[in-house]
Amino acid sequence: SQTIHQWPATLVQPVGSPLSLECTVEGTSNPNLYWYRQAAGRGLQLLFYSVGIGQISSEVPQNLSASRPQDRQFILSSKKLLLSDSGFYLCAWNVHGGTSHNEQFFGPGTRLTVL
Amino acid sequence: GQQLNQSPQSMFIQEGEDVSMNCTSSSIFNTWLWYKQDPGEGPVLLIALYKAGELTSNGRLTAQFGITRKDSFLNISASIPSDVGIYFCAGQHSGGSNYKLTFGKGTLLTVNP
Repeated sequence: SQTIHQWPATLVQPVGSPLSLECTVEGTSNPNLYWYRQAAGRGLQLLFYSVGIGQISSEVPQNLSASRPQDRQFILSSKKLLLSDSGFYLCAWNVHGGTSHNEQFFGPGTRLTVL
Repeated sequence: GQQLNQSPQSMFIQEGEDVSMNCTSSSIFNTWLWYKQDPGEGPVLLIALYKAGELTSNGRLTAQFGITRKDSFLNISASIPSDVGIYFCAGQHSGGSNYKLTFGKGTLLTVNP
């Protein structure tokens, strides 16, 4: 069965510090991968998605970036965090193609607090 | 971008009551999905709908893909305290990218025991 991992689970960082959040998926190959941010107030904002190694699409211009160095690894980064970067970051995956390709499955999330 | 109107924003109900929430869009969707998010966790997929008019159940949950393909509803029967959480609808827009979903803003459900 497939599983998705995110770490760290929680993170407190000062303004201006760098960020690296990691997401890995097990039990599948060539998944589509997604990064979402969820601010207090619940809505899910799509930040980046990737359909393959090295392929990144950005949805919202900001000081975050994403990379996919391996098939089942997705990394969210920032060189300098802003207060507004605080939130709950969720990684998700879905099958590349197939009848259920729209079904996204989420990781446990990382709670980021920028002080 | 595309937006989904999800209502109600929040609900306070007594244990045992039935619950209904819905999502509407001004454009056609190919897929409707319903998720539940517990506090501090990632959303979990409850039901996926792929055909207009489709009615699908998962235990006490029932969801339908509207005939017009512009709406969907989720019903929860005989609510219990563990039903507490945020429920999201999500859809894949007809003619849009095959890789992205549009999410509603969620319905916060509180169940009083």
